[in-house]
Amino acid sequence: QLQLQESGPGLVKPSETLSLTCTVSNDSISTSHYFWVWVRQPPGKGLEWIGSVHSNGNTYHNPSLRSRLSLSIDTSKNHFSLRLSSVTVADTAVYFCARLGSQTFDHWGQGTLVTVSS
Amino acid sequence: DIQITQSPSTLSASVGDRVIITCRASQSISNWLAWFQQKPGKAPKLLIQRASSLESGVPSRFSGSGSGTEFTLTINSLQPDDFATYYCQQYNTYFTFGGGTKVEIK
Repeated sequence: QLQLQESGPGLVKPSETLSLTCTVSNDSISTSHYFWVWVRQPPGKGLEWIGSVHSNGNTYHNPSLRSRLSLSIDTSKNHFSLRLSSVTVADTAVYFCARLGSQTFDHWGQGTLVTVSS
Repeated sequence: DIQITQSPSTLSASVGDRVIITCRASQSISNWLAWFQQKPGKAPKLLIQRASSLESGVPSRFSGSGSGTEFTLTINSLQPDDFATYYCQQYNTYFTFGGGTKVEIK
C-alpha cells in the first residue's frame, strides 16, 4: 500500500526558510507519472493547496505563495521537497504531502506540525 | 481564483439522521469536485470525486451530486463513525477547498 511520510523541523524562526521532505514508499515516484502535492492546515482552520511537482520537474504553485515557494523532487531517493522562504507566524500549520491521483488527492501522509516562532 | 463557499460551517445531528452539506463555486467547475472527510489529528480521506463517484470502500450511505456551481454531499442514516469535518474541493483550476463543515453530535 502506498505510504507517504513528511519529515523536517517542527520549529522555524520568523524570516527563515521552512524545509520539508515527503518520502514515498511502495511506489516509484519516477515511474508512476503522478503529480505529488503539498497541502497545509493552520491550527483549527481549513485546508490550503500549496503546490504540486511531477517527476519530470514540472511544478505548479499556489499563486498566493509563488514568490516564496520552491518545490523539488529527487527520484533517486523517492522523495519530494518543499521550501518556503521568509516565513511568518501565518505559516504555522500542519503540512501534509499527498499524491494527485487520476482526479485529486487520493493518498496522504499523516502530516507534520511546523510552528513559526522565535 | 475559484472560490468555494461551503455551508453550514457546523451541523448538529443524531445517529440515523440524514445530513446534507452544500458547496457553491464562484464559477462553473463542471463536475470537478471532490469531498473529503477529516477526523481530529488525521489526514483528510477522499470520499467522492467527480462530484458523485464514490471511492472504493466508502459506505454507500455517502452520496454526492451537482454540477456547474452547486454541489451537495448527503449522508443517509448518519453513523457514529461519521462525526467528523467534511471539506469539498474544486480541481477545475488548481485546487481550492471549502471552509469545512463540522458534523457534531446533537
